[in-house]
Amino acid sequence: KQEVTQIPAALSVPEGENLVLNCSFTDSAIYNLQWFRQDPGKGLTSLLLIQSSQREQTSGRLNASLDKSSGRSTLYIAASQPGDSATYLCAAGGYKLSFGAGTTVTVRA
Amino acid sequence: DVKVTQSSRYLVKRTGEKVFLECVQDMDHENMFWYRQDPGLGLRLIYFSYDVKMKEKGDIPEGYSVSREKKERFSLILESASTNQTSMYLCASSGRTDPHEQYFGPGTRLTVT
Repeated sequence: KQEVTQIPAALSVPEGENLVLNCSFTDSAIYNLQWFRQDPGKGLTSLLLIQSSQREQTSGRLNASLDKSSGRSTLYIAASQPGDSATYLCAAGGYKLSFGAGTTVTVRA
Repeated sequence: DVKVTQSSRYLVKRTGEKVFLECVQDMDHENMFWYRQDPGLGLRLIYFSYDVKMKEKGDIPEGYSVSREKKERFSLILESASTNQTSMYLCASSGRTDPHEQYFGPGTRLTVT
């Protein structure tokens, strides 16, 4: 069974610092890796999806990388802003996903 | 833009009541999912549907059933609500072909008293 781990569970950074969020998964036979953002009490918003044949995806200040062989993905958020404060979840799989518990980010103004 | 809507944002029900949670998507997606999210336990898949009238149990189907009579609508049913079903319920949808990107609804916070 796929196990997805996100460490740390929480982090706090000053505004302007770059964020690095880590995700690891146990079964490298995945079709894609998806990163989500969740605000308190809300649903999940898809940020980036990396297919198994890709190494990275970029959208604005966000960049996600995927290393299937080592079972790792990293989400980079450049020049963080207070509005980036949220919980970030990664999920690995195919048509069905296994989710990590998330990293709760606080960006201090 | 993909839109997934859920019938209620907040719901309060009594123990033993039959509860219906509705989810509708407007992207003609074949796959639809029901998850529950609890602190410390993350997202857990309850049921999955890959076509009309087709369903597959997820990791925690006990106490739940589902219905998919139309492609755009996927319902989660709590036959007899219990307090341990108090949770955030999230619906998602995705297409049948790669990359199977999942899109989520806003969630329903269900409290069973």
